[in-house]
Amino acid sequence: NAGVTQTPKFQVLKTGQSMTLQCAQDMNHNSMYWYRQDPGMGLRLIYYSASEGTTDKGEVPNGYNVSRLNKREFSLRLESAAPSQTSVYFCASSPGEQQGLTTDTQYFGPGTRLTVL
Amino acid sequence: QKEVEQNSGPLSVPEGAIASLNCTYSDRVSQSFFWYRQYSGKSPELIMSIYSNGDKEDGRFTAQLNKASQYVSLLIRDSQPSDSATYLCAVRGSNYQLIWGAGTKLIIKP
Repeated sequence: NAGVTQTPKFQVLKTGQSMTLQCAQDMNHNSMYWYRQDPGMGLRLIYYSASEGTTDKGEVPNGYNVSRLNKREFSLRLESAAPSQTSVYFCASSPGEQQGLTTDTQYFGPGTRLTVL
Repeated sequence: QKEVEQNSGPLSVPEGAIASLNCTYSDRVSQSFFWYRQYSGKSPELIMSIYSNGDKEDGRFTAQLNKASQYVSLLIRDSQPSDSATYLCAVRGSNYQLIWGAGTKLIIKP
C-alpha cells in the first residue's frame, strides 16, 4: 500500500517548456487535489477532482490543466512553464463521499520540486 | 473570502514543556478541522482531526475546538526536539475543499 505517489520528484524546466506531473493513489479515494506551496506560504489549491470524471478550478488555476485519468490517477500539466511556477507541487487524495458519508481528511504525496529558469 | 489564520512564528518552546498552537477561521458553518505537521522538505502529514466542540486527545497531542469563538488549537505536551516542524491548520470549506492556514513554525529547544 504505497498511498499517494508522485513523479517526478525533481524537475528543472526552461521558460516555455511543457511538462506533466503524475499522481496516483491506491487507497480507493474518490477525491484528488493538486496544490502548490511557496516558501513561507501555505498550500494553495490549483485544481481538484471531487470524483472520477469531474474536475474543478481551485484558487490558482491559471497556467495549469488537469486530467482525472481514472479513479487512481490525477495529472497536472504545465503547457508553457513560467518562472512564477517555480514551486513545490503536492498531490493529495481523500475518501470524499463514500456510502453516504463524507470524509475530508487529505493524504499527501511526497511532492515534486519544480524549478523554471 | 474564507480564511484561516495562524501565527507564523517561530514559536520557541523548551523541551518537556507544553507547546500551544492556535488557529482562527472565518467561516461559521465549517464542520471539520484538521492539524497537519510538515517537516522541512517533506509533505504534510495528519496529526489530528476534530469535529465537535471540546477537547480531543491522542497521546501527547490535544486538539481543542470552540465553534462559537471560531478557533481551534493544538497542544503538545512533553515537547520533544522531534516535534520541531511547521504545523498547518486546515478547515473544511465547500465542495470537498480544505482551506489552509500558512502554518506556525515550532522550535523545541533541548
